[in-house]
Formats: sequence, structure tokens, C-alpha cells
Amino acid sequence: AQTVTQSQPEMSVQEAETVTLSCTYDTSESDYYLFWYKQPPSRQMILVIRQEAYKQQNATENRFSVNFQKAAKSFSLKISDSQLGDAAMYFCAYRSAGYLKAAGNKLTFGGGTRVLVKP
Amino acid sequence: EAQVTQNPRYLITVTGKKLTVTCSQNMNHEYMSWYRQDPGLGLRQIYYSMNVEVTDKGDVPEGYKVSRKEKRNFPLILESPSPNQTSLYFCASSLQGTNQPQHFGDGTRLSIL
Repeated sequence: AQTVTQSQPEMSVQEAETVTLSCTYDTSESDYYLFWYKQPPSRQMILVIRQEAYKQQNATENRFSVNFQKAAKSFSLKISDSQLGDAAMYFCAYRSAGYLKAAGNKLTFGGGTRVLVKP
Repeated sequence: EAQVTQNPRYLITVTGKKLTVTCSQNMNHEYMSWYRQDPGLGLRQIYYSMNVEVTDKGDVPEGYKVSRKEKRNFPLILESPSPNQTSLYFCASSLQGTNQPQHFGDGTRLSIL
């Protein structure tokens, strides 16, 4: 079974600065997807960024970028130019790409990292 | 508007009183799942369904039941709730195909006293 670990329960960042959130995962599969989700106080689950394991190029979405190290099974999220609206819980998640293991497109989540943004 | 709708958003109840959390999606999605979120553990899959009348256990199914009689609805049933089922619950849906994005409901906060 796959596991996802987020080792930082909480991170604090000054507004306009950069913060990096760590995520490691364990899998024996070669084809999979990795995600970062944001959960603000409203409790919504908002997809921030997605990475396909077969792609070597790191995904970026505006101020959000990832550092995907497949061999090391590491998938960190960098938030640049942090804004007050970035304050939230962030979850790293894994999903198998194999249909036979789809389990309804099950996501395996890490425990989350709370990001605090100081004005 | 494409959405996953959960009801209720909040519920406080007592041990042993049967309850149902409803989930409905209007996107004609085949796949639907229920997750529970607990501090430090992230979200964990309870049950999933890959189509009408096709359901299976996820990672933490004990104490829960589901049904999928219609494509759009996937209710979560707690027949005899206990305090350890106090949690934040999410319903999610997606099209068939592992490259399809998950759509989440807004969550249901359950407190079992």
C-alpha cells in the first residue's frame, strides 16, 4: 500500500516571502499522479497543482511550483511571493495511474501542513 | 453549475442514533468516494463506488455503509454512530479514468456525543 508523509505540521512565512512544504511517499508503482491540495478555513478542497510521474518537468501554476524527485520519492511544494490568502492547510496526495488499482480514483493523503502567513 | 452537494454541513447527534449523510453530483460521474478527515491523518477513503450498484471498501470502512442505487447519489450511512466517528467527511466524484480530476463536496462536520 502507498503511504504519503508530510513531516512539517506547521510552517510560518512572512508575506511576500517563499515557503517550501515537504512531502515524501512510498510506492512500488512506476506510473502515478501526485497532487497538492489547499484547504482554507472554509473546508473546501482546492486542487493547487498536479504532477504526472512520467513527466520529468516540474509542474508550475502561477506562484506555486513543485520539485518532483522520482528516485527519492519526494514531492515538495514551493509557494513564492506568499499572500495572506495562501494561509491554509495543505495536503500532499498520491493516486495510482493503473486502472486495475483505481479504487474509484482513490487519493492517498499525507497528514497535512498548516501554513501561516504573517503580514 | 457542476458540483458535489453534501448534506448536512454540520450535525451533532448522540451515540447509537442512525444517521445518513447525503451526497449528490450533477456531472454524470461514474466514480464516487467517501473520505474522513482527522487531525494529523489527512483524508482516508471509507468506501467507493465505480458505478451504479458497484461499491467496495476503502481503507477505513468499519461502522459505515453505503449504497449506489442511482448514478448521481452516494449516501453514507452510520447505523449506530459512536464517538470515534466524530470527524469531517468529504464526498468526491470523478469520471472513469485515472487521469480524471476529483471533485469534492464542501464537507460535513459530524459530532457524535
